[in-house]
Amino acid sequence: DAGVTQSPTHLIKTRGQQVTLRCSPKSGHDTVSWYQQALGQGPQFIFQYYEEEERQRGNFPDRFSGHQFPNYSSELNVNALLLGDSALYLCASSQPTYNEQFFGPGTRLTVL
Amino acid sequence: RKEVEQDPGPFNVPEGATVAFNCTYSNSASQSFFWYRQDCRKEPKLLMSVYSSGNEDGRFTAQLNRASQYISLLIRDSKLSDSATYLCVVGQGGKLIFGQGTELSVKP
Repeated sequence: DAGVTQSPTHLIKTRGQQVTLRCSPKSGHDTVSWYQQALGQGPQFIFQYYEEEERQRGNFPDRFSGHQFPNYSSELNVNALLLGDSALYLCASSQPTYNEQFFGPGTRLTVL
Repeated sequence: RKEVEQDPGPFNVPEGATVAFNCTYSNSASQSFFWYRQDCRKEPKLLMSVYSSGNEDGRFTAQLNRASQYISLLIRDSKLSDSATYLCVVGQGGKLIFGQGTELSVKP
């Protein structure tokens, strides 16, 4: 049973560039959430997708956008990258009726 | 004030010790409660859900006091492999709110 997968593992970008991160949920899960984890901090909720719609959003600017595909996989896009966007980006999947979320290994983004 | 606050770390304990983590949350509408464990540079992994009646899983015991908005985790007979960061997490309408984590280091 495959768990949550994310790609790429690492990414280096420069300020002003755009980035797309990808996530495939755990088998049987149809809800995908994205989190940003800065060094030394707990993860912060970015948004959640269910049935290809953004269901909830955290306190992140519009530069952060996402998408969910019919096969439940998801993308996180960040435009106009800032140095402060450097972080570990985590994807978590769940079933809509359960609050337990299972995390992928993350994508480590470095913005120079 | 942060929505979820945990004891500052790190906790350095010898093998076999009992260690307790405490956490408070500010939103009384929080619906679900968890402890996650995170190893260095890895993803958080669900350790256990926390229920009002309290629950135990082997050496781990979690408690929830909704009236005080307080969550705890007790680890008995700690092992070297318990060394990690422990994250207190509350669920609100499907999103998870994390504390900043408490680092535990178990020494031989």
